Amino acid sequence: QVQLQESGPGLVKPSQTLSLTCTVSGGSISSGGYFWNWIRQHSGKGLEWIGSIYYSGSTFYNPSLKSRLTISVDTSKNQFSLKVNSVTAADTAIYYCARDQRSRTNYYIDYWGQGTLVTVSS
Amino acid sequence: QSALTQPASVSGSPGQSITISCTGTSSDVGGYNYVSWYQQHPGKVPKLMIYAVSNRPSGVSNRFSGSKSGNTASLTISGLQAEDEADYYCSSYTSSSSWVFGTGTKVTVL
Repeated sequence: QVQLQESGPGLVKPSQTLSLTCTVSGGSISSGGYFWNWIRQHSGKGLEWIGSIYYSGSTFYNPSLKSRLTISVDTSKNQFSLKVNSVTAADTAIYYCARDQRSRTNYYIDYWGQGTLVTVSS
Repeated sequence: QSALTQPASVSGSPGQSITISCTGTSSDVGGYNYVSWYQQHPGKVPKLMIYAVSNRPSGVSNRFSGSKSGNTASLTISGLQAEDEADYYCSSYTSSSSWVFGTGTKVTVL
């Protein structure tokens, strides 16, 4: 059973960088056929896909956030990370890491972390 | 990328069937059979209910079913139960190699 766990500061000051790490257990992040995602949810709102990374380092970003994003992977630690630069109050949200699996016929997000609340405030 | 369009709320009485729609474009819902549905109870993590338009993961009740026609996907819950009261989100892979989620639908069991 794959498990994902987010970690990182729960409070970030405006204009600074939000940094989160997702640790994967119960499976290797280097297994082919899986992409590793960051997704966020503003309070009382819907889900917003932030970006994804393959174990090789290939990344895909939400165009609306791309200029401020960096997603990286550390296969030796079975972790992947998110950095969001120049944060504002609008970046306050629950941040989830999640796995999506892809085959010739099926693409879907199947495992999610528990989520971590990040608040942007001075 | 714009969020997929879902009704804000749908309600039904216990035992009834309800259907939630999810409308996108030919670049997402209409272009791929990679539509998924998630159930989210308050304060909880989204749970996969349907993948690849109409497939149920192991452990998900067969009261949940999915379909797609053109740019619109649908989730039907039959035999509505109190425990089905939750928010539901659709999701689709897109031609931009990204994921897009629906606006979310609150299901209320009357």
